[in-house]
Amino acid sequence: KNQVEQSPQSLIILEGKNCTLQCNYTVSPFSNLRWYKQDTGRGPVSLTIMTFSENTKSNGRYTATLDADTKQSSLHITASQLSDSASYICVVSQFGNEKLTFGTGTRLTIIP
Amino acid sequence: DTGVSQNPRHKITKRGQNVTFRCDPISEHNRLYWYRQTLGQGPEFLTYFQNEAQLEKSRLLSDRFSAERPKGSFSTLEIQRTEQGDSAMYLCASSHGGQGNQPQHFGDGTRLSIL
Repeated sequence: KNQVEQSPQSLIILEGKNCTLQCNYTVSPFSNLRWYKQDTGRGPVSLTIMTFSENTKSNGRYTATLDADTKQSSLHITASQLSDSASYICVVSQFGNEKLTFGTGTRLTIIP
Repeated sequence: DTGVSQNPRHKITKRGQNVTFRCDPISEHNRLYWYRQTLGQGPEFLTYFQNEAQLEKSRLLSDRFSAERPKGSFSTLEIQRTEQGDSAMYLCASSHGGQGNQPQHFGDGTRLSIL
């Protein structure tokens, strides 16, 4: 069964600190992996998309990594800001299939 | 605002009633997706369209659910004889077709509450 697991479930850090969120997946055959940010009561917003051949991709203070051999990804947030408080969802796309498999997300809270 | 638009944002209805939601995708996107999201969970795929053709439906989409995209632009999702288990956020997303690595752009959803 195609699954995406994220850890931790929730995380609280001080403003200005860095953090790393983890994603493991079993989706096969793999097409691409996406990280989305979802604010409470809003739809998810795309942060990064990585294909099989990409190991890292950055979007401002967000840097995603992908190890397709171990089927793991991480999202690193640098110099966190209060506006980073949100759920971060890892999403994996299966090759030849439009259906995305979503993780349950990591709920990140930044405190001043 | 040229993003994905969903209406209404909130819907409260009694069990057994029918409800219909609307999604207006980004205008140049030919693919449109519907998802359902419950509290603390990631979105679950329901169905998707390429232009007006409904190409895939999840087994989550029971016979009480129907989606249409009659002219390949906006889409509607109807739930008949609603049940309390239908309470969720219904998200719509759109993307460029034919390019697998294009992001899906999500609307802010319709939150459905069944009394």
